[in-house]
Amino acid sequence: DAGVIQSPRHEVTEMGQEVTLRCKPISGHNSLFWYRQTMMRGLELLIYFNNNVPIDDSGMPEDRFSAKMPNASFSTLKIQPSEPRDSAVYFCASSPRGGQGQETQYFGPGTRLLVL
Amino acid sequence: GENVEQHPSTLSVQEGDSAVIKCTYSDSASNYFPWYKQELGKGPQLIIDIRSNVGEKKDQRIAVTLNKTAKHFSLHITETQPEDSAVYFCAASSQNTGNQFYFGTGTSLTVIP
Repeated sequence: DAGVIQSPRHEVTEMGQEVTLRCKPISGHNSLFWYRQTMMRGLELLIYFNNNVPIDDSGMPEDRFSAKMPNASFSTLKIQPSEPRDSAVYFCASSPRGGQGQETQYFGPGTRLLVL
Repeated sequence: GENVEQHPSTLSVQEGDSAVIKCTYSDSASNYFPWYKQELGKGPQLIIDIRSNVGEKKDQRIAVTLNKTAKHFSLHITETQPEDSAVYFCAASSQNTGNQFYFGTGTSLTVIP
C-alpha cells in the first residue's frame, strides 16, 4: 500500500492567497483526520471525518479554514485567505474505524506551508 | 475532555543506554494508547501501541507499560542506537470521543554515539 498521500509536499504563498491541501487516505480506511503542527502548539486536530462525513470541526481555527471529503479516497483542506500565522506543517491521517476498539491512525508525509 | 501530559520534553542518552518517556492522561475512559516516532521532515509513524486490557507490550527493543489506576503509560527503549534519535509522541483515545487521539507535547530524544 502506498500509505497516505498528501500534495503538495511544500507550498510557499503570499498572504491573502488561497491555499488548497490535498489528501488521499489509505484504501479501505473510513476515518480521515487533518492536523496542524507547529513548534508552539504541537500537533493540533483540525477536523475529522467518518465515512466522508465531518464529525468534529471544533479545531478549525476560523472561517478561513474549510475541509471537504467528497468521496472515500479524497479530501481537501482549504485556507482562504491565507495569513502568515497559518505557516505550519499540515498532516493528513487515516484510520480503519473498528467496531469496538480504537484504531491506529496512519499519517501522511505532511505539507509544509509557508505564508509570506 | 482528555488531557495528555508527556515528560521529559528533551532526553539525551548514550548509545546503548535505555530511554524512558512517560505520559499521563486524565480521562479514565481512555482505552487505547499509541506511541509515534517522528523523524525530521517526516510524518509521525506508529511504533507501538497498547490497549487498556493489558499492562505491558514489547516489540524487540521497544516496550510500553500501562498503569490504568494511576493513569499513566510509558515508553521504554533499550539498547538505544543513533537511529532512535527522533521526536516521540504519546496519545490517548477512547470510544467516548470516537477515534480522536489526544497527543502529548512530544519528547525529543537524542542518542549520542
